[in-house]
Amino acid sequence: DSGVTQTPKHLITATGQRVTLRCSPRSGDLSVYWYQQSLDQGLQFLIQYYNGEERAKGNILERFSAQQFPDLHSELNLSSLELGDSALYFCASSVFDRTSGYGYTFGSGTRLTVV
Amino acid sequence: GQQVMQIPQYQHVQEGEDFTTYCNSSTTLSNIQWYKQRPGGHPVFLIQLVKSGEVKKQKRLTFQFGEAKKNSSLHITATQTTDVGTYFCAEGAQKLVFGQGTRLTINP
Repeated sequence: DSGVTQTPKHLITATGQRVTLRCSPRSGDLSVYWYQQSLDQGLQFLIQYYNGEERAKGNILERFSAQQFPDLHSELNLSSLELGDSALYFCASSVFDRTSGYGYTFGSGTRLTVV
Repeated sequence: GQQVMQIPQYQHVQEGEDFTTYCNSSTTLSNIQWYKQRPGGHPVFLIQLVKSGEVKKQKRLTFQFGEAKKNSSLHITATQTTDVGTYFCAEGAQKLVFGQGTRLTINP
């Protein structure tokens, strides 16, 4: 168990619609990272929030937005959905281990299918 | 931006054979991380390498970081069916840049 919780696990929606994906980071972690995994683009960093503020931005479309709430959970909002937005969306928290070093622990993801 | 090229894209081996995946960059990498993603699963952090020439081992897995910090490899000795999955290298701190991954399948 990574400690990162994502809901829902699966989402099927139509083109043009808007969806919200939810993530709760590991307990005590102030950061949340969002990634998209698609067949053609691979794993791509979207955005990072730290303690409620946006810290880093990747290749995130203007139709996508995110926020982090005072309880540290985060939501990724995807609007005007297109077929190409179908992908796995992961949320991650940072981890550190003396042996393994610094890395990220990922939630189980939300599989979005746009039809 | 930073890009990490990973090869091969696919590798099929007989159980018990060794497996290696390589990660290369045209520029110096600050660090390299390795992840494993089982089919239908999420990426799982394996290791981070930071120092030039660093070698780390986890049981049958050996991770290396090149002397110039432009390449890295993951070698699995005597593969087992539990090793099936896609192995990714990734570089960066806040914004991880992932390689395309090497999908490992194993014939039992």
